[in-house]
Amino acid sequence: KAGVTQTPRYLIKTRGQQVTLSCSPISGHRSVSWYQQTPGQGLQFLFEYFSETQRNKGNFPGRFSGRQFSNSRSEMNVSTLELGDSALYLCASSLNGQETQYFGPGTRLLVL
Amino acid sequence: DAKTTQPPSMDCAEGRAANLPCNHSTISGNEYVYWYRQIHSQGPQYIIHGLKNNETNEMASLIITEDRKSSTLILPHATLRDTAVYYCIVRVATRAGNNRKLIWGLGTSLAVNP
Repeated sequence: KAGVTQTPRYLIKTRGQQVTLSCSPISGHRSVSWYQQTPGQGLQFLFEYFSETQRNKGNFPGRFSGRQFSNSRSEMNVSTLELGDSALYLCASSLNGQETQYFGPGTRLLVL
Repeated sequence: DAKTTQPPSMDCAEGRAANLPCNHSTISGNEYVYWYRQIHSQGPQYIIHGLKNNETNEMASLIITEDRKSSTLILPHATLRDTAVYYCIVRVATRAGNNRKLIWGLGTSLAVNP
């Protein structure tokens, strides 16, 4: 079974721009969670999607948004990028949300 | 979800067993102990999880104390490729939508030396 895939793997943007990251979960997994990881910080939960609905949201500003499609693929969007948004963005999938999560390789975003 | 405490770093000689401790003294009865590892700049990789019994798979063994307040991840024969940051987290695995409550600390940075 193919694992979780994320595209792109690396991205460079400038302040004020917006960015869209994509995540394809493991086949059959319906829950997708997004995390932000910055140096010196643990993984910070962004949001979770299940059946095209946002089920939970972490403590991030409204500039961070996401969505999920009928095939369970998910995208997250960050608008008006700030330097502090530079991070590794991780996506994880699980069957229905309460089972073991499996992570993708991440998208490393650099905001200049 | 309960918070976990891990030593920030550990060393291990190649070929020897690596024993990574984790303290989770406030764990609740329905919380599982999960271990992941993250090799530099990659996504976390699931290793193993358990509730109260010891568990073993092809990657590692998980030893949970009887009072469940601490656990140890054992890599029986560490290799250089096991050099990574190891995270111990606790979560209620029977409730959907619980991922937002997970507390991922900074983990233990394990260096396997030749």
